[in-house]
Amino acid sequence: SQQGEEDPQALSIQEGENATMNCSYKTSINNLQWYRQNSGRGLVHLILIRSNEREKHSGRLRVTLDTSKKSSSLLITASRAADTASYFCATSSGSRLTFGEGTQLTVNP
Amino acid sequence: GAGVSQSPSNKVTEKGKDVELRCDPISGHTALYWYRQSLGQGLEFLIYFQGNSAPDKSGLPSDRFSAERTGGSVSTLTIQRTQQEDSAVYLCASSSGTGRSNQPQHFGDGTRLSIL
Repeated sequence: SQQGEEDPQALSIQEGENATMNCSYKTSINNLQWYRQNSGRGLVHLILIRSNEREKHSGRLRVTLDTSKKSSSLLITASRAADTASYFCATSSGSRLTFGEGTQLTVNP
Repeated sequence: GAGVSQSPSNKVTEKGKDVELRCDPISGHTALYWYRQSLGQGLEFLIYFQGNSAPDKSGLPSDRFSAERTGGSVSTLTIQRTQQEDSAVYLCASSSGTGRSNQPQHFGDGTRLSIL
């Protein structure tokens, strides 16, 4: 089974609204990363949060990590139509990343 | 180029044929990864290279799949005797450092493989 599982599977919002995506995982991790994938393209790294960090910001992105609950959330504030994409969390343990199945975000203009 | 480059971008072939997929990582990146992504799904890890060696090839689904990396740079993923279930997007990523997954991975746009 996937180490990281995102929810919701799909999210549709209006431009300007905030979008929150959640990720749960099962085993101990070194860090957790979030990636974005536009249709037909590769993944683009958004943010990395280490296991000893609880919150991290980058521009309109805010990531939290709760290692006691084995969960993370990605918040995109003031969303734009260009934020429409699939978002994946990936957990790091050893030499590999294990990806969840992603949240498909649609931001309607 | 500045990013990870994969070729071909699309490949259509008949069942039973062999295919080779190529990845040019970012210059200087020692770690290289291959993943497979089926339609609407997450990424399935296939193999990891550090330099020219593959310390983790546990994700290769069968002995029809193999990969090599030469000169610490270009990598090829070979699928022999292709089956329809091999149809997917094959993504390559590279990263700096020792490959302990504490660095971001930089992805190519993938090869979309279709087996008829």
